[in-house]
This record gives sequence, C-alpha cells and structure tokens, in this order.
Amino acid sequence: RKEVEQDPGPFNVPEGATVAFNCTYSNSASQSFFWYRQDCRKEPKLLMSVYSSGNEDGRFTAQLNRASQYISLLIRDSKLSDSATYLCAGSGGSNYKLTFGKGTLLTVNP
Amino acid sequence: EPEVTQTPSHQVTQMGQEVILRCVPISNHLYFYWYRQILGQKVEFLVSFYNNEISEKSEIFDDQFSVERPDGSNFTLKIRSTKLEDSAMYFCASSEGFGTTNYGYTFGSGTRLTVV
Repeated sequence: RKEVEQDPGPFNVPEGATVAFNCTYSNSASQSFFWYRQDCRKEPKLLMSVYSSGNEDGRFTAQLNRASQYISLLIRDSKLSDSATYLCAGSGGSNYKLTFGKGTLLTVNP
Repeated sequence: EPEVTQTPSHQVTQMGQEVILRCVPISNHLYFYWYRQILGQKVEFLVSFYNNEISEKSEIFDDQFSVERPDGSNFTLKIRSTKLEDSAMYFCASSEGFGTTNYGYTFGSGTRLTVV
C-alpha cells in the first residue's frame, strides 16, 4: 500500500517556466504535510509546510485539499538553482514520523 | 543554526559485519529518528525514539537493528550483521515535537553505508 504518491517526473523545464508538482496520500489520519527539497545524495531539507488555506513563500505556492487527499507545489519563474528532487511528506500520530513520496526530479535548463 | 551531526559520512563494511552509525541530535529536541534511502528509492522511516525508548518502528527495523542513546547526547543505530541490501543512505533526524511548524524537524547529512 503506497501511502504517498507523486508525479513520476522527471520534469525538464526552461528557466523562467512555471512548474507544478502533485502528490496524493491515502492515509486520512495524516495530519500535516510538507514539501521537501533533496539535492543529489544530500539530506531532505524542508521547503514548505502545506496548509489547507494554501500558503506562499516567494516563488513557491503550496496547497492542500483534504477532501481529495491531494497536495500540490507550484514553482513560478524557475531558476537553475531549483533543480533538485522534490519530496512530499505526510505526518501523523504521536511520534511525528514522516512518510515520504518517492520524489519528483526537476531539472531547470538555461 | 543548530544542526544534526552524523558520523561517519561514508562507511564500507563486509557482509555479516556489525556497524554502528552515530548521530548527535539537536540538544533541546525530544524525538529522534532514523530513516534510510536506498539509491533511487524513497526516504523510508525506520524508527522513532522518545523518552529513552523506541516509540515506533517500521517493518524494516527487524532484530538486526537496534538504537541507543547511551550518554544523553549521541544517538546510535546498530546493524548487527549487515546484508548487501542494507546498503543505503541512513539519515538521522530530530524534532522538537508538537507546537512548532514542521515539528522542528531537522535531518543530518547522512551516512552512506556500502556493504560489500
């Protein structure tokens, strides 16, 4: 049973493009959701928490739809430095463990 | 900025040998975790540790694995008899727990374990 599923990717976009990633989750007990960024062979780093009301941080917008069990991340005006793997993650229960999706690889080309 | 420190960064071991991966979590954090990531696959939860005991473990975390917080500072993952399929990146993480955005989750930079 896959708890968190993501777009398979990879995504190859030119600089300046807008790109959207989607993620679905199957465990309705998950309480909180996050987008992480992972560079090659590095640790995941938190990009954004995801709220039902939607939240924005500069060029990044995250959205959560609990009814559809769906999370999204939008990157506007993509930069070369945005090239990475983007992981969605859900968390629930008393131990705050994270359940990750497999990740979507983004390459931004000059 | 406080960080989670892991050592060594890379460990090569022979199949059947025991390995100990070490982590120093952030000092005021309460929850400690090990995750692993096999090359090309997703980051998977192994175990969580709270109040000096295992609070949750995954089905990956079998009898070959154990965790310890021997001195209130270090947090170790031991694999008793390594198998080829244990080759992966192992990430330690710590968290403040409830009440903070993302629960204050911080990952270490990982130990790459290669079993030959």
